[in-house]
Amino acid sequence: GENVEQHPSTLSVQEGDSAVIKCTYSDSASNYFPWYKQELGKRPQLIIDIRSNVGEKKDQRIAVTLNKTAKHFSLHITETQPEDSAVYFCAASTPVAGNKLTFGGGTRVLVKP
Amino acid sequence: EAGVAQSPRYKIIEKRQSVAFWCNPISGHATLYWYQQILGQGPKLLIQFQNNGVVDDSQLPKDRFSAERLKGVDSTLKIQPAKLEDSAVYLCASRPAGALNTEAFFGQGTRLTVV
Repeated sequence: GENVEQHPSTLSVQEGDSAVIKCTYSDSASNYFPWYKQELGKRPQLIIDIRSNVGEKKDQRIAVTLNKTAKHFSLHITETQPEDSAVYFCAASTPVAGNKLTFGGGTRVLVKP
Repeated sequence: EAGVAQSPRYKIIEKRQSVAFWCNPISGHATLYWYQQILGQGPKLLIQFQNNGVVDDSQLPKDRFSAERLKGVDSTLKIQPAKLEDSAVYLCASRPAGALNTEAFFGQGTRLTVV
């Protein structure tokens, strides 16, 4: 089955700097890659997603890149702000497995003022 | 639109007791997932339903966990008997079915503490 690895597990950045989180997946059949943000005690919420027919997607300060050949995808947050502090999860969706959604282990991001 | 509803929000039980969680997905969402999220880890899929059929339950500890989704709408997840290592947040998520992948929406989760 699909396996998603996420790095780093923790990331501390200065306010205004950029943050990059990387994920790798194992199943080449996976075709949808969402990123979720989870604040303490709250539900995971989608912040951006990318489909396998696209190499890059951007939404204001957030961007995601996908390299299907290497089977990895990354989240980029620019001009970080204190409210970006949270845990971020990447995931991969595999249609041949009934759209099974497999998550990475998470990255705790701390933005220091 | 209404979101994914879960209850209870919190539950404390003693080991070897039983517990049940309830999930009401977004109306019309055919796919329903139950995830276990242990503190500091990513969500781990326990079981996935498509309508009222099980798509994947490969990581569900079937000796103690069970789940059902009668009529393809609400779902319940049960643990009997509970162990200390079952302490976690149990998240329910739903998603429209279909070939075009879309966002999965999560409920608030049920935080289970087994003492």
